[in-house]
Amino acid sequence: EVQLVESGGGLEQPGGSLRLSCAASGITFSSYEMTWVRQAPGKGLEWVSHISSSGSVIYYADSVKGRFTISRDNAKNTLYLQMNSLRAEDTAVYYCSRGLRGQGYYMDVWGKGTTVTVSS
Amino acid sequence: QSVLTQPPSVSAAPGQKVTISCSGSSSNIGNDYVSWYQQLPGTAPRLLIYDNNKRPSGIPDRFSASKSGTLATLDITGLQTGDEADYYCAVWDSRLSVRLFGGGTKLTVL
Repeated sequence: EVQLVESGGGLEQPGGSLRLSCAASGITFSSYEMTWVRQAPGKGLEWVSHISSSGSVIYYADSVKGRFTISRDNAKNTLYLQMNSLRAEDTAVYYCSRGLRGQGYYMDVWGKGTTVTVSS
Repeated sequence: QSVLTQPPSVSAAPGQKVTISCSGSSSNIGNDYVSWYQQLPGTAPRLLIYDNNKRPSGIPDRFSASKSGTLATLDITGLQTGDEADYYCAVWDSRLSVRLFGGGTKLTVL
């Protein structure tokens, strides 16, 4: 069974840092592109970042560019999101997802999410 | 305000049909393939449609979608109370180099 499990969320002060992890199982992790998506309380989904299977191609939303860093360790089957200079507006549930490419890109497997709260 | 525009809410009676629209522009919907996601209350999103109109295995054929120009639509027929959820469209924007989600549409089955 394909499974993605996020961890690393918690309460952090504004300006602080957190590192989220997403552990993949049941898949050949190194073959897949991966995406982080977040959802602020009561709000819609917001795409955060994307990384290619090798880690060589990376994209970020403008709202996190320069503060967040996506990375992966294919040997450990794990995706990461290093979050620095946290702001209150980063408070959200963070989901990792597996990407597939048919004619377009889509996210077919999602984790249950990890909650990040930024507050003093 | 989202670049992809969805109605905030739609509603219909059980057994009826509902259509959810997702309006974009030439740099996103007009230039790439749309996917749709269903998010039941308190759960993670689930892939509903990919490549504009394809259903993953396990998704009932009550769910269908299409795209014309810069408008994508999701149709749900034979509505069930279990379909009550938020629905999101998603697509890559080539001008912004970001993936976009629509603002989401809350479906209520009356």
